[in-house]
Amino acid sequence: NAGVTQTPKFQVLKTGQSMTLQCAQDMNHNSMYWYRQDPGMGLRLIYYSASEGTTDKGEVPNGYNVSRLNKREFSLRLESAAPSQTSVYFCASSEGGGPYGYTFGSGTRLTVV
Amino acid sequence: LAKTTQPISMDSYEGQEVNITCSHNNIATNDYITWYQQFPSQGPRFIIQGYKTKVTNEVASLFIPADRKSSTLSLPRVSLSDTAVYYCLVGVSGRGGSQGNLIFGKGTKLSVKP
Repeated sequence: NAGVTQTPKFQVLKTGQSMTLQCAQDMNHNSMYWYRQDPGMGLRLIYYSASEGTTDKGEVPNGYNVSRLNKREFSLRLESAAPSQTSVYFCASSEGGGPYGYTFGSGTRLTVV
Repeated sequence: LAKTTQPISMDSYEGQEVNITCSHNNIATNDYITWYQQFPSQGPRFIIQGYKTKVTNEVASLFIPADRKSSTLSLPRVSLSDTAVYYCLVGVSGRGGSQGNLIFGKGTKLSVKP
């Protein structure tokens, strides 16, 4: 089925370790996003990519880096994980222009100990 | 970016119609109003989107008054499976960048009881 695929689904890291969360979409969407969701909270935007070759900071970019590898893929990297980055991470994509919504992946549950 | 305000939680019973109202006083001319549904341990799912007046699809209806400063999501005859968090968002849908990304608040937690 068409959609947004995130890997891994679960991950436990030790403080200071690094890792990359992968996201791929097969809908030929121009824009892609990374959100984090903490318990009882809404989603907060970390980074986004309006189109291939561009990336911009969202609300909470500190401690993260992103790469828009191509039109399909948008990765999120934690260089030195901290317990405050324990969260559920969602990737989303959307078509630019017009009344279209976002399609979200199923999330990556990350725990930093 | 336009800020939205919606109730933190709502309770309903199976078979009832549920209306969730969202206020967005600072909505811009080119902003759309979009609603998402999120079940536990899943990503949000697009429900409906509108610009003005009324929009209806197989899942819900969206009512937007002429001044567009508020909107109401209407769920007809809810069932237990409609228990979820519902988010109201305002922005230039589908566009990133300075034109406005969709900002999620805490949403409305709808609990449907038997």
